[in-house]
Amino acid sequence: SQTIHQWPATLVQPVGSPLSLECTVEGTSNPNLYWYRQAAGRGLQLLFYSVGIGQISSEVPQNLSASRPQDRQFILSSKKLLLSDSGFYLCAWSTRGGETQYFGPGTRLLVL
Amino acid sequence: AQSVTQPDIHITVSEGASLELRCNYSYGATPYLFWYVQSPGQGLQLLLKYFSGDTLVQGIKGFEAEFKRSQSSFNLRKPSVHWSDAAEYFCAVGGGYGNKLVFGAGTILRVKS
Repeated sequence: SQTIHQWPATLVQPVGSPLSLECTVEGTSNPNLYWYRQAAGRGLQLLFYSVGIGQISSEVPQNLSASRPQDRQFILSSKKLLLSDSGFYLCAWSTRGGETQYFGPGTRLLVL
Repeated sequence: AQSVTQPDIHITVSEGASLELRCNYSYGATPYLFWYVQSPGQGLQLLLKYFSGDTLVQGIKGFEAEFKRSQSSFNLRKPSVHWSDAAEYFCAVGGGYGNKLVFGAGTILRVKS
């Protein structure tokens, strides 16, 4: 069966510091991968998606970037965090050509 | 552009009562529709999905949803709510290249005993 992992679970970072959040998927190959942000009291906003290694599509202009160095690894990064980057970050995967996305447990990021 | 509207931010129901959560969507083609549930501090769990065929779909935990094309709606229902159903519920529409999903703002369900 497939599983999706995210770490860390919680992160507190000062403004201006770098960020690296990791997401890995097990039990499948060639997945589509997604990063979402959930701000308090709001729905989910798609940040990035990837249909293959090195292929990243950005949905919104922002202070963040994403990379996919391996087939089942998706990384969310920032060089300098802003207060507005605080939120709950969710990674998701779907099969290539599949319609259903499955979500990881999320990372709560607090920027102070 | 795709969009999803969940008109109710909060809903409170008594345990054992029936539940209906509303979802309206805007999509240019035949939509793929989803309901997810999120407990506090957790990821999203898929409740059910609609792609085509029978417009009444059954999901996990006793939930069902009905797709009504004429009303652009995909409302979630449960005949008898349990205290463990208290959570936030998200409706989403997707499709196209990359299968991106657009989510509604969510409805927080509170269950009173």
